[in-house]
Amino acid sequence: EVQLVESGGGLVQRGGSLRLSCAASGFTLSSNYMTWVRQPPGKGLEWVSVFYTTGGTYYSEAVTGRFTISRDTSENVFYLQMHSLRAEDTAVYYCARDFGPSRYMGALDLWGQGTTVTVSS
Amino acid sequence: QSVLTQPPSVSGAPGQRVIISCTGSSSNIGAGHDVHWYHHLPGTAPRLLIYGDTNRPSGVPDRFSGSKSGTSASLAITGLQAEDEADYYCQSYDSSLRGSRVFGGGTKLTVL
Repeated sequence: EVQLVESGGGLVQRGGSLRLSCAASGFTLSSNYMTWVRQPPGKGLEWVSVFYTTGGTYYSEAVTGRFTISRDTSENVFYLQMHSLRAEDTAVYYCARDFGPSRYMGALDLWGQGTTVTVSS
Repeated sequence: QSVLTQPPSVSGAPGQRVIISCTGSSSNIGAGHDVHWYHHLPGTAPRLLIYGDTNRPSGVPDRFSGSKSGTSASLAITGLQAEDEADYYCQSYDSSLRGSRVFGGGTKLTVL
């Protein structure tokens, strides 16, 4: 079955760190761009970061310098390392498969169920 | 404040047609970047509804259609059904920050 499963969410104090994982099955992570999207409580979806098949990584302004996206091709897992966490980082975090590098780059056709991160102040 | 602007809510009766707008700028939709649409029920994984402005993934009914003109895009839903009640999001690429994807603020569709 083709799916993504996130893990690693939890309660963390402001200023703390957390690493989220996204395990892929049924396809090879290295064949697609992979993305993290989050949804703060009561708010809409917010793009966080993307990992290109070339190894390039990009981040939203809100997380640049604090979050790092990476992948382990041998395990078919990709990660979001989060440091210096703030209250506004509290959200459900989703990993998603991007159409990229094919024609419709940016479209997210496969999503995980999400993992919840709560930053306490 | 989202980069792409959507109405917070729309509503329609079963069988009717509704349109959800998504307004951007010259650095995203107006630059010709693809617009994608998602259906989302709270507590579940979002689902891709439309990609590349007008294309439907397999399994998405043809009641859903997308269009784009200038700096705006639209999602049309015809023959409204109770199960269509959900949040809908548009998404595009923004040239102002390399690699940046942007979402609309989301629109809550209520089926009356």
